[in-house]
Parts: sequence; structure tokens; C-alpha cells
Amino acid sequence: DAGVTQSPTHLIKTRGQQVTLRCSPISGHKSVSWYQQVLGQGPQFIFQYYEKEERGRGNFPDRFSARQFPNYSSELNVNALLLGDSALYLCASRLLPGQGYEQYFGPGTRLTVT
Amino acid sequence: KQEVTQIPAALSVPEGENLVLNCSFTDSAIYNLQWFRQDPGKGLTSLLLIQSSQREQTSGRLNASLDKSSGRSTLYIAASQPGDSATYLCAGRYNFNKFYFGSGTKLNVKP
Repeated sequence: DAGVTQSPTHLIKTRGQQVTLRCSPISGHKSVSWYQQVLGQGPQFIFQYYEKEERGRGNFPDRFSARQFPNYSSELNVNALLLGDSALYLCASRLLPGQGYEQYFGPGTRLTVT
Repeated sequence: KQEVTQIPAALSVPEGENLVLNCSFTDSAIYNLQWFRQDPGKGLTSLLLIQSSQREQTSGRLNASLDKSSGRSTLYIAASQPGDSATYLCAGRYNFNKFYFGSGTKLNVKP
């Protein structure tokens, strides 16, 4: 079975632009989470979605938004990009959102803002 | 505020050595703790998941322990190999939907 997939792999944007990142969870997984990983640091939680509803949000500004589709895939949108948004964006899926379920991560999308 | 800390930030050992990576967390009300491996520029690979009711988990040459009372978890790697070189991250789950990561320990195993 395919793991978590993300697209695109790399992306270069200019300050002020908008970007959309995509994630497809492992088949059968219904919960998707997004993380931002700045170079040299651990990932930071942005959002969790389950059954198309937002179930959790980290400390990120409203420029960040996401949604989940009926097939459980997800998109992360970032508006008005800043240089500090440059990071590796990771998507993770779980079978269900409960505490006992292991997270599986995709390869990430490397976003560079110039 | 939940915080997860990993020490040391980097570690270099000769091949064949047994080693321990440390992870500390500030809030003992942890649901579970997960150890990951990350290769440069790549995503995270799950290594071990320990539930709050468990004391340890083992997978091959890896053994992870969890001590909630002291706020510590350790990842033990036996007979290290150059292929083990990577950054190791621990992450604690504190409620339904939030996961807090440490900054990682970058491991270099020298041939």
C-alpha cells in the first residue's frame, strides 16, 4: 500500500503570494494533521482534520487554513506569504484520531519564500 | 505549557556502540510518546509508540522506555550501524489532537 503522499515536493514563492499544499493519507486513514518544520527544529502542529472537520489548531495565524475532502485528502493554504513561512510542511495520517493510533508522515513539501 | 526537550542535540559514536537518546517532557499527563527517525530533507519514519500505560516498547535493535513520573523517555539503540545515522525525534501527545515534538538528536555513527 502507498504511504502518505504530498505534492508538490518543492515550491518557491515570493512574499505576499498564496500557496496550496496537498496531502493524500494512507488508504483507510480518516484523520490528517499538518505540521511545519523549520530547519533545525522539530515539527510544530498546525491543524488536525477528521471527517472533514477541524479538530485542532496550533498557534498559527489566520493566514493558515486547511480543509479535508470526502476522500480524506487534505489541502493546506497559506496566504500573504512571509519569509518566515519557509519550511518543510509535513502531513501525517492516522486511522482514527484517538490517542492509541500511530501517526504516519509523508515526505513533506519544501516551501521556500523569497 | 507542554514542552519536549531532547539532549544532546548531536551525538557521534563509533560503529558497534550501544547508545541512549534522551527525551524529557514537562507535563506528566501524557497520552503517548512516539519516537521518529528523520533522514536529511525527508519526512518522519515512525520507530516506536509507547502508550501512557506502558513502560517500554521494543523493535529489533531499538528499545524505548517511558517514565511518566520523571517526565523522561529514552531510546536505546543496540550495536549501532552507519545506517542508523539520522536525526531522532520524540513527540508527546497531550490531548486529543496535539502532538509536541522535541528538536531532535542528530546521530552520526562512524564506520
